[in-house]
Amino acid sequence: GPKVLQIPSHQIIDMGQMVTLNCDPVSNHLYFYWYKQILGQQMEFLVNFYNGKVMEKSKLFKDQFSVERPDGSYFTLKIQPTALEDSAVYFCASSLQNSGNTLYFGEGSRLIVV
Amino acid sequence: GQGVEQPAKLMSVEGTFARVNCTYSTSGFNGLSWYQQREGQAPVFLSYVVLDGLKDSGHFSTFLSRSNGYSYLLLTELQIKDSASYLCAVRIGDRGSALGRLHFGAGTQLIVIP
Repeated sequence: GPKVLQIPSHQIIDMGQMVTLNCDPVSNHLYFYWYKQILGQQMEFLVNFYNGKVMEKSKLFKDQFSVERPDGSYFTLKIQPTALEDSAVYFCASSLQNSGNTLYFGEGSRLIVV
Repeated sequence: GQGVEQPAKLMSVEGTFARVNCTYSTSGFNGLSWYQQREGQAPVFLSYVVLDGLKDSGHFSTFLSRSNGYSYLLLTELQIKDSASYLCAVRIGDRGSALGRLHFGAGTQLIVIP
């Protein structure tokens, strides 16, 4: 089936540094999402993105977070600066329609901030 | 507040069935999805329900009762490979809200034993 690819799969970074998580969504999809999952807890919505703009974001989407998809390339989540509490697995997802029922998820990027 | 609850673990015998329960307390309910997630892999969409009743999709069936804030995922003729985490996710908001704003439960770890 359709696949969403995420790079890197794992990253360890020093607190205060910047990190960029990359997502290659399903090719004809139009809507893109980031979710955050802390170990042992449920996935939580961060943000969704369409037509070059953030549509909705949760309170977890701090000012240090930003998303973009320049020129149809990777959909990225940037955290600058990182904090210890940003350690989590970040899942990217995409969907074809806003009214559809199916999200396609990537395998996640595990971020460890030390 | 918004809450999605699932039992943490469930064990069933190969060849029998398993019912994964999900209860939710939300305002603005607009559909419920089930995903399967294996360790270290992407969540995979299984089913979406928005109307009351049982939806039969072969190996997987899903039930919804909106008045009770309750759904279950039923797996029949269990195989060892059905061992995985099953995530319940509730979509909140009106039809104008983005599809991807899902509220996930913490997942139920299903263990199928021989």
